[in-house]
Amino acid sequence: LAKTTQPISMDSYEGQEVNITCSHNNIATNDYITWYQQFPSQGPRFIIQGYKTKVTNEVASLFIPADRKSSTLSLPRVSLSDTAVYYCLVGDTGRRALTFGSGTRLQVQP
Amino acid sequence: DAMVIQNPRYQVTQFGKPVTLSCSQTLNHNVMYWYQQKSSQAPKLLFHYYDKDFNNEADTPDNFQSRRPNTSFCFLDIRSPGLGDAAMYLCATSIDRDRGYEQYFGPGTRLTVT
Repeated sequence: LAKTTQPISMDSYEGQEVNITCSHNNIATNDYITWYQQFPSQGPRFIIQGYKTKVTNEVASLFIPADRKSSTLSLPRVSLSDTAVYYCLVGDTGRRALTFGSGTRLQVQP
Repeated sequence: DAMVIQNPRYQVTQFGKPVTLSCSQTLNHNVMYWYQQKSSQAPKLLFHYYDKDFNNEADTPDNFQSRRPNTSFCFLDIRSPGLGDAAMYLCATSIDRDRGYEQYFGPGTRLTVT
């Protein structure tokens, strides 16, 4: 089971780019990397998923180096509404479901 | 809109009194999950159904049970709630469970045990 390590918290200001890095040293060959966002008193929401290199969608970008032992979620020009907890998950194959790590609490200030 | 619905949003039960939380989905997904999330902690997977196949996590207490009578509905039964079971309970679905398919979460049910 691949374990993930993320910073506990990060602070930023509106309009800045935020990069959150996740370490997953024992990622398996078939594992995907997925990021979720969670606001207080709500269920987590899927942000982005990738296997290698770079993935971009309308919300974020995900950078994965060649060795796949880490990944970086990039949020361009954050706003106050991006204040949330961000979870990095590494997918198990087979019968196991994903396991949430401890998450990174992002606080965006005006 | 297709979604994951959890009822009730808030549930209060007494210590030791059985309680059932419900989840329904209109996504027609094969997999349904139940997570427990305590304050300031990450969601912890309790179990999941892959179609009718029940998969319990090794550290899920026997006090927690689940039923999935059909594709759309899944229930979480807590047979004898203790004070430590007070938490947000999240239901999620996904098309499949391999290779990290996206999970769609419901809004959660916040359980209070008095």
